[in-house]
Amino acid sequence: EAGVTQFPSHSVIEKGQTVTLRCDPISGHDNLYWYRRVMGKEIKFLLHFVKESKQDESGMPNNRFLAERTGGTYSTLKVQPAELEDSGVYFCASSQGTFTDTQYFGPGTRLTVL
Amino acid sequence: QQPVQSPQAVILREGEDAVINCSSSKALYSVHWYRQKHGEAPVFLMILLKGGEQMRHEKISASFNEKKQQSSLYLTASQLSYSGTYFCGTGIGGTSYGKLTFGQGTILTVHP
Repeated sequence: EAGVTQFPSHSVIEKGQTVTLRCDPISGHDNLYWYRRVMGKEIKFLLHFVKESKQDESGMPNNRFLAERTGGTYSTLKVQPAELEDSGVYFCASSQGTFTDTQYFGPGTRLTVL
Repeated sequence: QQPVQSPQAVILREGEDAVINCSSSKALYSVHWYRQKHGEAPVFLMILLKGGEQMRHEKISASFNEKKQQSSLYLTASQLSYSGTYFCGTGIGGTSYGKLTFGQGTILTVHP
């Protein structure tokens, strides 16, 4: 069974540019999460999809971040325009259920904003 | 508010034991433990649930003290492969659904 995959693995962009990160969850997992780890800090929750609906987007930093999940399958996270403080590693995770189910993490996308 | 992990870092010789703690100021429903090696995805170790039992996977076990809102991860007879950063992720259930709040991580280094 394939795990959670993320693309790209690395992205280096200039301040003000746009970047789109993609996540493909484990097949059959209705729940998809985005997290971010800024260097030296903890992994922070961004948002949670159940199928194609946003269940909780309380962790999204501001309206420069837009997440979508097409047809309840893959998800994209767009940052527009990117700022220096957006640099970090963006993780995607998926699970079958919510409260008690394991969240399986992808390898992350390392975003560097110059 | 994020849970607090202790210690922040620990260095072991192969075969030694270690305990990593995770404390929260909130009433927890679940505690999830992960290990991350540099540049890789966090790997799930185990989940502790409110009212559940102590969990064990090979030489790694964990407990959850509901009264103290604290979980501990026990690594017995450490191996070189145990090196990495350990994170606890806490869930409070309710309207937070599956959202996990992570501690700052504990860096574990095992030397031969």
